[in-house]
Amino acid sequence: QQQVKQSPQSLIVQKGGIPIINCAYENTAFDYFPWYQQFPGKGPALLIAIRPDVSEKKEGRFTISFNKSAKQFSLHIMDSQPGDSATYFCAARRGYSTLTFGKGTMLLVSP
Amino acid sequence: DSGVTQTPKHLITATGQRVTLRCSPRSGDLSVYWYQQSLDQGLQFLIQYYNGEERAKGNILERFSAQQFPDLHSELNLSSLELGDSALYFCASSSGTSGATDTQYFGPGTRLTVL
Repeated sequence: QQQVKQSPQSLIVQKGGIPIINCAYENTAFDYFPWYQQFPGKGPALLIAIRPDVSEKKEGRFTISFNKSAKQFSLHIMDSQPGDSATYFCAARRGYSTLTFGKGTMLLVSP
Repeated sequence: DSGVTQTPKHLITATGQRVTLRCSPRSGDLSVYWYQQSLDQGLQFLIQYYNGEERAKGNILERFSAQQFPDLHSELNLSSLELGDSALYFCASSSGTSGATDTQYFGPGTRLTVL
């Protein structure tokens, strides 16, 4: 069964810290790896995504690092702010297949 | 605002009942997805429709069914409800034509409580 394993389940950092959320996948056919951000009471929203032909992608304070040989990818949030407090989901898909989501990480950035 | 609308926002019902959740995709999107979100299971994919046809099926129970209508809105029907069906149900839509990078846009969800 296709799986994406996400860790940690929850994370608390101080404002300005760099939270790191990790995901590991099994299916080497996956070719698209998005991260979604979900605020309480809202639906998930696409934050940033990467294809396996690059090792890193940055968008503002958010960076995805991708390690194809280890079948792992991670989200780093630079200079984290209280407004970044949310649940983060990694996901993976192959072609037109459906997204397989990790179980989510609840991030709290304390002031 | 993602452009995906879901109704109702909240639904409270009793065990054994049947409910219908409604989703209107973003303008121009042909694909609609349904997900169930619970605290212990995360986001579970239920079913996908593309331009009126079922395209993929996930962990959808036999008591649940869905359809996509000619105007592309979709409905998720949940019957013989059990306490364990209490969850957030999300609808997402995408163009359905961009392959792997086809972005899914999520609606605000329907919170179902079964008493």
